[in-house]
Amino acid sequence: GAGVSQSPSNKVTEKGKDVELRCDPISGHTALYWYRQSLGQGLEFLIYFQGNSAPDKSGLPSDRFSAERTGGSVSTLTIQRTQQEDSAVYLCASSIRGGGETQYFGPGTRLLVL
Amino acid sequence: LAKTTQPISMDSYEGQEVNITCSHNNIATNDYITWYQQFPSQGPRFIIQGYKTKVTNEVASLFIPADRKSSTLSLPRVSLSDTAVYYCLVGSSNTGKLIFGQGTTLQVKP
Repeated sequence: GAGVSQSPSNKVTEKGKDVELRCDPISGHTALYWYRQSLGQGLEFLIYFQGNSAPDKSGLPSDRFSAERTGGSVSTLTIQRTQQEDSAVYLCASSIRGGGETQYFGPGTRLLVL
Repeated sequence: LAKTTQPISMDSYEGQEVNITCSHNNIATNDYITWYQQFPSQGPRFIIQGYKTKVTNEVASLFIPADRKSSTLSLPRVSLSDTAVYYCLVGSSNTGKLIFGQGTTLQVKP
């Protein structure tokens, strides 16, 4: 079956612009996660969704970052007023119910802020 | 979530068995141990998970001693395509968010 998909695969933007990153989880997976991977920080958790609710937003680095999930499926991560330090690979993962279950990762969106 | 320590890098040759050990001295009773693999330009991929003793699947084996303060991922007869970063993770929050450490970069040489 189809895995987790993300779009765009690459995004180049200018400092100060807003960007939207999209994640399509595996069908039927109720849990969805966003992570960020950058050279200086490794792989770090951003936010967790269970259904359309986000009970854990503890990893969002600033109020410029927000995310939503609709219909218990697609999720969008929005970064407002992008900064150069936002340049990273943004990874989305989903699992059937969350908790300790296996997470399936998408290929990521490579964001470059000039 | 328990902290893990693993070697930053390892080298091996094709056909050899590779063992990557991870230390997790503060593992809690309910914690399990999970390994993920990441190839360049891809998201991490689940390899194996265990709680105690030995677990084996088609890709790898996971050895966990009785005290569970460490674990060893064993990759039999590696090939060049096994060159990747391997992450050891311990425990899980109620939400399941993963806390990644540095990982071990395995370089398989011909």
